[in-house]
Amino acid sequence: GAVVSQHPSRVICKSGTSVKIECRSLDFQATTMFWYRQFPKKSLMLMATSNEGSKATYEQGVEKDKFLINHASLTLSTLTVTSAHPEDSSFYICSAAGSGRARSNEQFFGPGTRLTVL
Amino acid sequence: AQSVTQLGSHVSVSEGALVLLRCNYSSSVPPYLFWYVQYPNQGLQLLLKYTTGATLVKGINGFEAEFKKSETSFHLTKPSAHMSDAAEYFCAVSSRSFSGGYNKLIFGAGTRLAVHP
Repeated sequence: GAVVSQHPSRVICKSGTSVKIECRSLDFQATTMFWYRQFPKKSLMLMATSNEGSKATYEQGVEKDKFLINHASLTLSTLTVTSAHPEDSSFYICSAAGSGRARSNEQFFGPGTRLTVL
Repeated sequence: AQSVTQLGSHVSVSEGALVLLRCNYSSSVPPYLFWYVQYPNQGLQLLLKYTTGATLVKGINGFEAEFKKSETSFHLTKPSAHMSDAAEYFCAVSSRSFSGGYNKLIFGAGTRLAVHP
């Protein structure tokens, strides 16, 4: 149980286009989802926290108009990188935490999405 | 504020040798502590976690970690390394949420474990 999927796993796009990444909790309801960014050989940097049905809370330095997050349902959150540029190339990872696992304080991670902007 | 320091960005051990990955944390409130493993181009897999109770925590794949409050440490160990243990390991800290929500994880910089024959 507690499986989180991401789609796509890899995406290559041209500079200036927008890319949407989906994060789904497959077997539990995710009341909270987190989006991370990971640079090569670096740690994970939290970008934003989203709770179902409300606006995402962005970390300092993360442009909310650049990285649009929508958490419209208890099983789906999306991250849209708008007007992507080569410096947005990175590995994006989502995690989910659910109401049924509130006492575990555990986040379940997706497999990540590799974004390459040409 | 919370923070995590992982001592040693690279650790190399022989197959069968003891694995010790160091993690120290800073937290003004009782911490929740986690160790995750990441294989290339994959997400994170939870190895083990400490929330409350017993300070020696056993996880998957033969790993264990001990929470030492006096030393603010949560080092990860495994008695005998296997080739398949080669990966990136992240220590993370969070805190109890009294609002019923989820507090964010603060990750260390990571330690790359290499296992050689």
